[in-house]
Amino acid sequence: DAKTTQPNSMESNEEEPVHLPCNHSTISGTDYIHWYRQLPSQGPEYVIHGLTSNVNNRMASLAIAEDRKSSTLILHRATLRDAAVYYCILRANTGNQFYFGTGTSLTVIP
Amino acid sequence: ETGVTQSPTHLIKTRGQQVTLRCSSQSGHNTVSWYQQALGQGPQFIFQYYREEENGRGNFPPRFSGLQFPNYSSELNVNALELDDSALYLCASSLGHGVNTEAFFGQGTRLTVV
Repeated sequence: DAKTTQPNSMESNEEEPVHLPCNHSTISGTDYIHWYRQLPSQGPEYVIHGLTSNVNNRMASLAIAEDRKSSTLILHRATLRDAAVYYCILRANTGNQFYFGTGTSLTVIP
Repeated sequence: ETGVTQSPTHLIKTRGQQVTLRCSSQSGHNTVSWYQQALGQGPQFIFQYYREEENGRGNFPPRFSGLQFPNYSSELNVNALELDDSALYLCASSLGHGVNTEAFFGQGTRLTVV
């Protein structure tokens, strides 16, 4: 699977938007971009995924660059409950696993 | 709540022993994957079962083995435990294993090998 690069950590103030970047320069045309997050002492939780177009759901938005070599997870209003490690993952047709990497640890400041 | 339950939640074993971890998948899900998460690291794929057959394996030795039952629940067995096997073991269930599939994770089993 193609690999992703994320910042190790980010901070955000409560109730402000958060933009979590992810680089995936070796992405192939059929790779889906998935985002999961892991709250302390819990298993990973699905956030959002997409292929080419920007995606929105009740949790977040996913903005995908036109060349697909990068993407950004957008939390519109960060809450204290959003403090977690966020993983950007590529899923290939040839693989059946999630490759998690080390993710971005998001701290939300009250 | 994802509907995926793992047991036990915590376990302490001695080096050289064997352990069995269990996972009950979300209703209707026919695919189960197992991951190992060391402290401070992201989860690493161990293997996946789809309709009772192994459907892919990560870079783990043969002493890590698994099973999926007709009701799609699953077991992870680890023989000859080593200290480095201490980790959080996560189970994820999904309906199928396509690239567009969402996985639902359990809360994990924390294994400590002493």
